[in-house]
Amino acid sequence: DTGVSQNPRHKITKRGQNVTFRCDPISEHNRLYWYRQTLGQGPEFLTYFQNEAQLEKSRLLSDRFSAERPKGSFSTLEIQRTEQGDSAMYLCASSLATSLVLGTIYFGEGSWLTVV
Amino acid sequence: RKEVEQDPGPFNVPEGATVAFNCTYSNSASQSFFWYRQDCRKEPKLLMSVYSSGNEDGRFTAQLNRASQYISLLIRDSKLSDSATYLCVVNFYSSNTGKLIFGQGTTLQVKP
Repeated sequence: DTGVSQNPRHKITKRGQNVTFRCDPISEHNRLYWYRQTLGQGPEFLTYFQNEAQLEKSRLLSDRFSAERPKGSFSTLEIQRTEQGDSAMYLCASSLATSLVLGTIYFGEGSWLTVV
Repeated sequence: RKEVEQDPGPFNVPEGATVAFNCTYSNSASQSFFWYRQDCRKEPKLLMSVYSSGNEDGRFTAQLNRASQYISLLIRDSKLSDSATYLCVVNFYSSNTGKLIFGQGTTLQVKP
């Protein structure tokens, strides 16, 4: 499977714990995006990378959230001191920078987080 | 005000019906526009781009009105398999920067 891969697919954690999600994009894609989606809402942009550079962060991304893409390939999204409001599906997507105008970004299947 | 707004529905229609979804966006500098489809508990996937002149893909027709900052999607002859959430998507920036902004989605349920 050469699509966008995310893991873990499901995570249940206790409030206050830290969690980390990993995303492996399509290999030749230089852009990588993180979105968050809650029930009944569309995906909300969190941040994106071009290669290893984090070019933009949403104000939704509080200090408890950090994302990295150290070698311009896979990325991690860490949430520290989780809160119940962090419960959501975290979606990773990738694209070529040049294809954004075509709207062709490819999503992974998402990582579901439940904070209890 | 949200950057991209859609009527969440749900729209419940019989097979064979024609249904239209609308979307408005707030930033007049928006560059490109799309409709994505999302099945229950699955990831969103690109359905079609929306061009200024309007465009059609089989039973699906998308239209853009830049003056009114309005986008629409028309589905003719609805099939059971069209049941999904349809997301209006806008790219506010130029082709080399930025990200896609999603509306909250409109849910369609096609009944037999």
